[in-house]
Amino acid sequence: DQQVKQNSPSLSVQEGRISILNCDYTNSMFDYFLWYKKYPAEGPTFLISISSIKDKNEDGRFTVFLNKSAKHLSLHIVPSQPGDSAVYFCAALDNYGQNFVFGPGTRLSVLP
Amino acid sequence: ETGVTQSPTHLIKTRGQQVTLRCSSQSGHNTVSWYQQALGQGPQFIFQYYREEENGRGNFPPRFSGLQFPNYSSELNVNALELDDSALYLCASSTKDRVGNTIYFGEGSWLTVV
Repeated sequence: DQQVKQNSPSLSVQEGRISILNCDYTNSMFDYFLWYKKYPAEGPTFLISISSIKDKNEDGRFTVFLNKSAKHLSLHIVPSQPGDSAVYFCAALDNYGQNFVFGPGTRLSVLP
Repeated sequence: ETGVTQSPTHLIKTRGQQVTLRCSSQSGHNTVSWYQQALGQGPQFIFQYYREEENGRGNFPPRFSGLQFPNYSSELNVNALELDDSALYLCASSTKDRVGNTIYFGEGSWLTVV
């Protein structure tokens, strides 16, 4: 049973517009979330994180929103750039604080 | 460039064989985690090593085993390979009190089992 879900396998966005990637989780004990970006032939790289004591965290063009009651988080990229084209993974720190439970990923394509 | 190096980058093995994958962790990191990423899925946690001891394990059978060495590098061993073991194997190094931005992933080892 997937504890972290990303229901959109892919997303295409025009350059300069907003990209919104969504993530849902089922375990209410999760309290720390991250987004990773992965290019082909590379390992995942950390993008942005959020703790459950916050509902928003912003870093440059990237903003993550957390809705704890809905067990939902989203990543907003504004403005989107072609270099943002990658697979984005949502991850939650597991109950023991040891490792991450990853979603299946969403492939973002930013079209010039 | 994360400072985490994995080898080999690609390999092909036959069902029933054994494989060893290696990971050199980021300098100063004492914790290494291994993940399996099958095609179209997110990484799945295999196990973690902290100071040469296994420190947590995901839902993988015992034929997946590991080692961590005094220099904090690590190995993942898989015995009796099955076709479903074909995946990208990722190593991540971190410090014990890690947060997301102090965890670094290697580029992975692509294993194909035929």
